[in-house]
Amino acid sequence: NAGVMQNPRHLVRRRGQEARLRCSPMKGHSHVYWYRQLPEEGLKFMVYLQKENIIDESGMPKERFSAEFPKEGPSILRIQQVVRGDSAAYFCASSRENTEAFFGQGTRLTVV
Amino acid sequence: KNEVEQSPQNLTAQEGEFITINCSYSVGISALHWLQQHPGGGIVSLFMLSSGKKKHGRLIATINIQEKHSSLHITASHPRDSAVYICAVTKGTASKLTFGTGTRLQVTL
Repeated sequence: NAGVMQNPRHLVRRRGQEARLRCSPMKGHSHVYWYRQLPEEGLKFMVYLQKENIIDESGMPKERFSAEFPKEGPSILRIQQVVRGDSAAYFCASSRENTEAFFGQGTRLTVV
Repeated sequence: KNEVEQSPQNLTAQEGEFITINCSYSVGISALHWLQQHPGGGIVSLFMLSSGKKKHGRLIATINIQEKHSSLHITASHPRDSAVYICAVTKGTASKLTFGTGTRLQVTL
């Protein structure tokens, strides 16, 4: 039973490009959470999704960021027109209903 | 003020020492989590607890619901325990986490 899989592990983008981060939840998990860890800062909630639905996006920046969790395939966190301030580690976690969430290894985004 | 506060922020210990990391929270919670993050690494869940005490190897986690306080203890610390330890809480029925700022632990020989 594979854990939460995130890819890529490392991603370098130039300012203005798009970044796509993928998260495949653990088998049987239908809840996905995205968190961001800025350099030298703590983890912050971004968005909570269930299959085909965004449940809570209170932590998402208002512009350039979007997330989806389609019926088939991984969850995607998409950042358009990246800026240097988007450089961070992005973690995905998955869970079943009302149970402990398990984390992926994270995607480290560097914007140059 | 953060909903979840940890202390200390940084901690240095010698191998073999008993270590305590504290976490206080100011909101109603459904569960409290202790997580471990090695430098450049992923996040590993150590404990999830809503009452009492849990033990796993050399790690012990306790929670006092009335005082809104939890502690993570490491017995017989080892350099491989060096990591950031993060306290986080869940509220209500969702598994969405609210995090403390973490405690950076360095265990030296």
